[in-house]
Amino acid sequence: SQTIHQWPATLVQPVGSPLSLECTVEGTSNPNLYWYRQAAGRGLQLLFYSVGIGQISSEVPQNLSASRPQDRQFILSSKKLLLSDSGFYLCAWSAQDNQPQHFGDGTRLSIL
Amino acid sequence: RKEVEQDPGPFNVPEGATVAFNCTYSNSASQSFFWYRQDCRKEPKLLMSVYSSGNEDGRFTAQLNRASQYISLLIRDSKLSDSATYLCVVTRAGGGNKLTFGTGTQLKVEL
Repeated sequence: SQTIHQWPATLVQPVGSPLSLECTVEGTSNPNLYWYRQAAGRGLQLLFYSVGIGQISSEVPQNLSASRPQDRQFILSSKKLLLSDSGFYLCAWSAQDNQPQHFGDGTRLSIL
Repeated sequence: RKEVEQDPGPFNVPEGATVAFNCTYSNSASQSFFWYRQDCRKEPKLLMSVYSSGNEDGRFTAQLNRASQYISLLIRDSKLSDSATYLCVVTRAGGGNKLTFGTGTQLKVEL
């Protein structure tokens, strides 16, 4: 069966520091991969999605970037974090179009 | 108009009650529809897909009305463990299987 791993679970970082969140999927090939952010009391906002290695689409202009160096690995990065980057970051995968997405456990990021 | 709209609630119901949530969506080209459940400070989890003919999974029934562009979720015989936020989700155009999530309806089942 397919599983998705995301780490770390929680992270506290100072303003201006770099960020790297990693997500890996097991048990499937060529998944669609997604990064979302959920601010406190808000809905899920799609940040990036990828349909294949090296293929990244950005949904909103922001301080973050994403990379997909391997088929089942998706990384969210920032060179300098802002206070507004705080939130709950979720990685998800889906098999193909019109299929449901399945989420990792999420990373709760606090910027001080 | 928001792409997906839900009543935020909370819906406070006694254990054993039947409760229904509605959701409207704006993109008539949406092809797939889902209900997710999200517990406090946890990731969303797929509850069920919503099919044009309507579908049932135990105590949960989902309905789709394409003409009126709304989706419903009915929960019968509510349990304390059903307390959560229920997210209405629809696909949107553009490829890559992008989903639009509603902000959710909060359900609290009480003794």
